[in-house]
Amino acid sequence: DAEITQSPRHKITETGRQVTLACHQTWNHNNMFWYRQDLGHGLRLIHYSYGVQDTNKGEVSDGYSVSRSNTEDLPLTLESAASSQTSVYFCASSEGGLGNTIYFGEGSWLTVV
Amino acid sequence: EDQVTQSPEALRLQEGESSSLNCSYTVSGLRGLFWYRQDPGKGPEFLFTLYSAGEEKEKERLKATLTKKESFLHITAPKPEDSATYLCAVQAHAGNNRKLIWGLGTSLAVNP
Repeated sequence: DAEITQSPRHKITETGRQVTLACHQTWNHNNMFWYRQDLGHGLRLIHYSYGVQDTNKGEVSDGYSVSRSNTEDLPLTLESAASSQTSVYFCASSEGGLGNTIYFGEGSWLTVV
Repeated sequence: EDQVTQSPEALRLQEGESSSLNCSYTVSGLRGLFWYRQDPGKGPEFLFTLYSAGEEKEKERLKATLTKKESFLHITAPKPEDSATYLCAVQAHAGNNRKLIWGLGTSLAVNP
Protein backbone atom coordinates (compact mmCIF):
# COMPACT_ATOMS: atom_id res chain seq x y z
CA ASP A 1 0.00 0.00 0.00
CA ALA A 2 1.09 3.55 -0.70
CA GLU A 3 2.14 5.50 2.35
CA ILE A 4 4.00 8.48 3.80
CA THR A 5 7.01 7.78 5.99
CA GLN A 6 8.51 10.33 8.34
CA SER A 7 11.82 10.09 10.12
CA PRO A 8 12.92 10.42 12.78
CA ARG A 9 9.72 9.87 14.74
CA HIS A 10 11.21 11.43 17.85
CA LYS A 11 14.19 13.73 18.22
CA ILE A 12 15.73 15.90 20.92
CA THR A 13 18.14 18.57 19.79
CA GLU A 14 19.89 21.60 21.20
CA THR A 15 19.17 25.24 20.47
CA GLY A 16 21.09 26.48 17.45
CA ARG A 17 21.62 23.11 15.81
CA GLN A 18 20.45 22.35 12.28
CA VAL A 19 17.84 19.61 12.09
CA THR A 20 16.36 17.85 9.09
CA LEU A 21 13.12 15.91 9.16
CA ALA A 22 12.65 13.47 6.31
CA CYS A 23 9.42 12.75 4.47
CA HIS A 24 9.02 10.06 1.81
CA GLN A 25 5.76 9.24 0.03
CA THR A 26 4.99 6.37 -2.30
CA TRP A 27 1.65 7.76 -3.52
CA ASN A 28 3.39 9.47 -6.48
CA HIS A 29 1.56 12.65 -5.47
CA ASN A 30 2.57 16.00 -6.93
CA ASN A 31 1.60 18.02 -3.84
CA MET A 32 3.48 17.72 -0.57
CA PHE A 33 3.06 19.70 2.63
CA TRP A 34 4.68 20.23 6.00
CA TYR A 35 2.51 21.17 8.98
CA ARG A 36 3.18 21.72 12.64
CA GLN A 37 0.56 21.04 15.28
CA ASP A 38 0.48 22.83 18.63
CA LEU A 39 -2.16 23.08 21.34
CA GLY A 40 -4.41 26.05 20.75
CA HIS A 41 -3.22 26.56 17.18
CA GLY A 42 -4.22 23.41 15.37
CA LEU A 43 -2.46 22.47 12.15
CA ARG A 44 -0.41 25.27 10.62
CA LEU A 45 1.20 25.09 7.21
CA ILE A 46 4.97 25.57 7.11
CA HIS A 47 5.93 24.94 3.48
CA TYR A 48 4.38 23.22 0.50
CA SER A 49 5.38 21.99 -2.94
CA TYR A 50 3.31 21.44 -6.07
CA GLY A 51 5.99 19.44 -7.86
CA VAL A 52 9.71 18.87 -8.39
CA GLN A 53 11.77 22.06 -7.95
CA ASP A 54 8.69 23.93 -6.70
CA THR A 55 8.53 25.15 -3.08
CA ASN A 56 6.33 27.74 -1.40
CA LYS A 57 6.11 29.37 2.01
CA GLY A 58 3.19 28.68 4.27
CA GLU A 59 1.86 30.72 7.18
CA VAL A 60 4.68 29.85 9.64
CA SER A 61 7.76 29.43 7.42
CA ASP A 62 10.30 31.55 9.33
CA GLY A 63 13.25 29.40 10.41
CA TYR A 64 12.32 26.51 8.12
CA SER A 65 13.30 25.52 4.59
CA VAL A 66 12.44 22.72 2.17
CA SER A 67 13.71 21.41 -1.14
CA ARG A 68 12.04 19.14 -3.69
CA SER A 69 14.51 17.29 -5.91
CA ASN A 70 12.19 14.37 -6.74
CA THR A 71 8.51 13.46 -6.49
CA GLU A 72 8.84 11.22 -3.44
CA ASP A 73 10.74 13.36 -0.92
CA LEU A 74 10.28 16.71 0.81
CA PRO A 75 12.79 17.14 3.65
CA LEU A 76 12.16 19.92 6.18
CA THR A 77 15.20 21.71 7.58
CA LEU A 78 15.30 23.83 10.72
CA GLU A 79 18.29 26.01 10.04
CA SER A 80 19.02 26.96 13.66
CA ALA A 81 16.64 25.23 16.04
CA ALA A 82 14.82 27.35 18.62
CA SER A 83 12.74 26.31 21.62
CA SER A 84 9.69 27.79 19.90
CA GLN A 85 10.08 25.08 17.27
CA THR A 86 9.38 22.31 19.77
CA SER A 87 6.33 20.72 18.22
CA VAL A 88 4.97 17.75 16.34
CA TYR A 89 5.53 17.94 12.61
CA PHE A 90 3.36 16.26 10.00
CA CYS A 91 4.19 15.66 6.38
CA ALA A 92 1.29 15.23 3.97
CA SER A 93 0.64 14.73 0.29
CA SER A 94 -2.16 14.92 -2.25
CA GLU A 95 -2.76 14.57 -5.96
CA GLY A 96 -2.64 17.74 -8.01
CA GLY A 97 -5.69 19.98 -8.20
CA LEU A 98 -8.19 21.44 -5.80
CA GLY A 99 -10.50 19.29 -3.72
CA ASN A 100 -8.25 16.25 -3.54
CA THR A 101 -7.74 14.40 -0.28
CA ILE A 102 -4.58 15.11 1.70
CA TYR A 103 -2.95 12.09 3.35
CA PHE A 104 -0.77 12.47 6.43
CA GLY A 105 2.29 10.77 7.82
CA GLU A 106 2.51 9.60 11.41
CA GLY A 107 4.37 12.66 12.65
CA SER A 108 7.80 13.64 13.97
CA TRP A 109 8.04 14.82 17.56
CA LEU A 110 10.80 17.41 17.94
CA THR A 111 12.02 18.80 21.25
CA VAL A 112 14.50 21.68 21.24
CA VAL A 113 16.32 22.12 24.56
CA GLU B 1 -10.99 36.32 6.38
CA ASP B 2 -11.42 32.61 5.74
CA GLN B 3 -12.14 30.80 8.97
CA VAL B 4 -13.19 27.39 10.32
CA THR B 5 -14.69 26.97 13.79
CA GLN B 6 -15.43 23.62 15.42
CA SER B 7 -17.72 23.05 18.37
CA PRO B 8 -17.79 21.83 21.00
CA GLU B 9 -14.09 21.77 21.89
CA ALA B 10 -14.62 18.60 23.88
CA LEU B 11 -17.47 16.13 24.18
CA ARG B 12 -17.94 13.21 26.50
CA LEU B 13 -20.56 10.59 25.65
CA GLN B 14 -21.73 7.33 27.07
CA GLU B 15 -21.49 4.34 24.80
CA GLY B 16 -24.60 4.31 22.60
CA GLU B 17 -25.40 7.99 23.17
CA SER B 18 -25.68 9.61 19.73
CA SER B 19 -24.55 13.19 19.13
CA SER B 20 -23.23 15.63 16.53
CA LEU B 21 -20.07 17.66 16.05
CA ASN B 22 -20.23 21.01 14.28
CA CYS B 23 -17.89 22.68 11.80
CA SER B 24 -18.89 26.18 10.72
CA TYR B 25 -16.95 27.99 8.02
CA THR B 26 -16.62 31.30 6.23
CA VAL B 27 -14.68 31.10 2.97
CA SER B 28 -14.79 32.97 -0.31
CA GLY B 29 -15.84 29.87 -2.22
CA LEU B 30 -15.93 26.29 -1.02
CA ARG B 31 -13.99 23.74 -3.05
CA GLY B 32 -14.24 20.95 -0.52
CA LEU B 33 -14.81 20.27 3.18
CA PHE B 34 -12.82 17.49 4.80
CA TRP B 35 -13.28 15.53 8.00
CA TYR B 36 -10.37 13.76 9.64
CA ARG B 37 -9.98 11.63 12.73
CA GLN B 38 -6.81 11.91 14.83
CA ASP B 39 -5.81 9.44 17.52
CA PRO B 40 -3.26 10.43 20.18
CA GLY B 41 0.28 10.21 18.83
CA LYS B 42 -0.87 9.65 15.25
CA GLY B 43 -1.35 11.67 12.10
CA PRO B 44 -4.82 12.74 10.94
CA GLU B 45 -6.73 9.98 9.17
CA PHE B 46 -9.04 10.92 6.32
CA LEU B 47 -12.76 10.26 6.82
CA PHE B 48 -14.87 12.22 4.31
CA THR B 49 -14.86 14.92 1.66
CA LEU B 50 -18.02 16.93 0.96
CA TYR B 51 -18.19 19.21 -2.06
CA SER B 52 -21.61 20.86 -2.18
CA ALA B 53 -24.50 21.82 0.08
CA GLY B 54 -26.91 18.97 0.63
CA GLU B 55 -24.28 16.29 0.21
CA GLU B 56 -24.10 13.49 2.78
CA LYS B 57 -21.60 10.67 3.32
CA GLU B 58 -21.61 7.75 5.72
CA LYS B 59 -19.06 5.37 7.14
CA GLU B 60 -20.02 2.90 9.83
CA ARG B 61 -21.40 4.97 12.75
CA LEU B 62 -20.39 8.30 11.20
CA LYS B 63 -22.43 10.49 8.88
CA ALA B 64 -21.24 13.84 7.53
CA THR B 65 -23.57 16.48 6.15
CA LEU B 66 -22.95 19.86 4.53
CA THR B 67 -24.87 23.14 4.26
CA LYS B 68 -23.73 26.47 2.85
CA LYS B 69 -22.41 27.57 6.24
CA GLU B 70 -21.58 24.45 8.23
CA SER B 71 -21.02 20.74 8.34
CA PHE B 72 -22.11 18.22 10.92
CA LEU B 73 -20.50 14.94 11.84
CA HIS B 74 -23.22 12.76 13.32
CA ILE B 75 -22.12 9.85 15.48
CA THR B 76 -24.77 7.18 15.96
CA ALA B 77 -24.52 4.79 18.91
CA PRO B 78 -20.83 5.52 19.49
CA LYS B 79 -18.41 2.98 20.89
CA PRO B 80 -15.28 3.61 22.99
CA GLU B 81 -13.12 3.06 19.89
CA ASP B 82 -14.69 6.18 18.38
CA SER B 83 -12.82 8.24 20.97
CA ALA B 84 -10.48 10.59 19.10
CA THR B 85 -10.10 14.18 18.01
CA TYR B 86 -12.15 15.01 14.93
CA LEU B 87 -10.74 17.70 12.66
CA CYS B 88 -12.51 19.71 10.00
CA ALA B 89 -10.81 21.57 7.15
CA VAL B 90 -12.01 23.53 4.13
CA GLN B 91 -10.43 24.24 0.79
CA ALA B 92 -11.36 27.51 -0.89
CA HIS B 93 -11.56 28.50 -4.52
CA ALA B 94 -9.01 31.29 -4.17
CA GLY B 95 -6.72 31.21 -7.19
CA ASN B 96 -4.36 28.25 -7.40
CA ASN B 97 -4.30 27.76 -3.66
CA ARG B 98 -4.33 24.10 -2.66
CA LYS B 99 -4.00 24.80 1.03
CA LEU B 100 -6.51 23.83 3.67
CA ILE B 101 -7.97 25.98 6.44
CA TRP B 102 -8.14 23.90 9.60
CA GLY B 103 -10.37 24.01 12.64
CA LEU B 104 -8.98 23.28 16.10
CA GLY B 105 -10.89 20.03 16.43
CA THR B 106 -13.38 18.39 18.76
CA SER B 107 -12.00 15.94 21.29
CA LEU B 108 -14.50 13.10 21.70
CA ALA B 109 -14.42 10.65 24.59
CA VAL B 110 -16.85 7.73 24.64
CA ASN B 111 -17.20 5.98 27.96
CA PRO B 112 -18.11 2.28 28.11
